[in-house]
Amino acid sequence: EPEVTQTPSHQVTQMGQEVILRCVPISNHLYFYWYRQILGQKVEFLVSFYNNEISEKSEIFDDQFSVERPDGSNFTLKIRSTKLEDSAMYFCASRRDRQETQYFGPGTRLLVL
Amino acid sequence: GNSVTQMEGPVTLSEEAFLTINCTYTATGYPSLFWYVQYPGEGLQLLLKATKADDKGSNKGFEATYRKETTSFHLEKGSVQVSDSAVYFCALTRGRDDKIIFGKGTRLHILP
Repeated sequence: EPEVTQTPSHQVTQMGQEVILRCVPISNHLYFYWYRQILGQKVEFLVSFYNNEISEKSEIFDDQFSVERPDGSNFTLKIRSTKLEDSAMYFCASRRDRQETQYFGPGTRLLVL
Repeated sequence: GNSVTQMEGPVTLSEEAFLTINCTYTATGYPSLFWYVQYPGEGLQLLLKATKADDKGSNKGFEATYRKETTSFHLEKGSVQVSDSAVYFCALTRGRDDKIIFGKGTRLHILP
C-alpha cells in the first residue's frame, strides 16, 4: 500500500541553524500539507500546498518557514533560523483530491538546542 | 471558530472493557469528522470517519456516529485490547477548508 515517507526521522540542531525536513507524498497525490505537534500538545496545521503554491497557512507559518516541491516527488519544509520553540514532531500529509482523506507520514522529530 | 473538544486523558482500562472517548465539535456548516490514532513512536493513522449527519464510521471494532443535534462524535469500542493502547485524536475538516483541526488527544492505556 502506498504511503507517505519522511526523512529524517529525528533531527537535532542548534538554535539559529537552518533545517530542511523532507517528505515524499503518495505518487498520484496533488495536495500537500505540513502539521506539527509540540510534545504533549495537539496537532496543529502549518500550511497547505497545491499546484506549486501555498493554498493556506496558519499564523505559526511565519517568514522563517517555507515550503517547496523541488521535483515531482519531494515536498520540503524549511525553517531558516530555528528557535527553541520549533522543537516538535512535524508531520507531512497528502491527498489525491479534496474529497479524499489526508494520509500522514510517520513524522520527523525536531529538537532545537 | 472551528474547534474540537475531547475528553482529557489518560484513560486506563482493563482488557475487554468497554471504551468511550467523548468528542464534541464547534463548526459552521457541515464538517466531516474523523478519529485518528497515534501508536507509540508512530505517526497519525486514520481510524474512521463520517462525512454527514447520522453516518457511522467503523474500523477495527471501533465506531463513532456523527450526531449533529449534539455536535458529537464519540468513539466507542465494545472490548478493548492491550494493542489499542495509543493516543486518539478527534478531528474535523470544514467545507472547502483543507486543513484538519485536531482535538488535544486522549491517551488510552489498556492493562492486561
